[in-house]
Amino acid sequence: QVQLVQSGAEVKKPGASVKVSCKASDYTFTSYYMHWVRQAPGQGLEWMGIINPGGDSTSYAQKFQGRVTMTRDTSTSTVYMELSSLRSEDTAVYYCARGGSGSRINDAFDIWGQGTMVTVSS
Amino acid sequence: EIVLTQSPATLSLSPGERATLSCRASQSVSSFLAWYQQKPGQAPRLLIYDASNRATGIPARFSGSGSGTDFTLTISSLEPEDFAVYYCQQRINWPPITFGQGTRLELK
Repeated sequence: QVQLVQSGAEVKKPGASVKVSCKASDYTFTSYYMHWVRQAPGQGLEWMGIINPGGDSTSYAQKFQGRVTMTRDTSTSTVYMELSSLRSEDTAVYYCARGGSGSRINDAFDIWGQGTMVTVSS
Repeated sequence: EIVLTQSPATLSLSPGERATLSCRASQSVSSFLAWYQQKPGQAPRLLIYDASNRATGIPARFSGSGSGTDFTLTISSLEPEDFAVYYCQQRINWPPITFGQGTRLELK
């Protein structure tokens, strides 16, 4: 069935970078936008940005501009989110989530990955 | 940035009761409002999109209404599996896409 499978938990030191992967299956990877959302422990959901796997264009939340990079590999139907200059406040579960397709860029997020816990600690 | 304010923060009800959750936007989002359910240790699940459309596989006891700045998620008769945290989300004026802070629906 349609699913997104993310990479495993990471522990990083402050100042380091982390790269989380999200592999899509059972749908046309290049046809649907992919979003990244994070959730700090006990907190709400925070949108980080979007990538168009079909064209590689991206848009990031201003809060993460300069620290986040979203990329994709069409040969493996995988999107990546890299966050640099990590600090303790970046400790969170990171989710990828499928958005709309084509002109429907404003569609809701219908499929979510299982989440990847990233812990930033010295 | 559009701010979404959900109320109440916590709602305590019993199975079989009706739940009414509110989401208010700081400016109009037309009908670009979605609702998600999240259970502990799980990813969010899409319940309602475009304010009033149930997502695939979502039971009919879940319904959404509203447009502009005021929205409501109603669960007509609570089942034990409905106790969770619910988030609203707007996607009309972005970046950034924003979420409400969540309403925790707990067992009374």
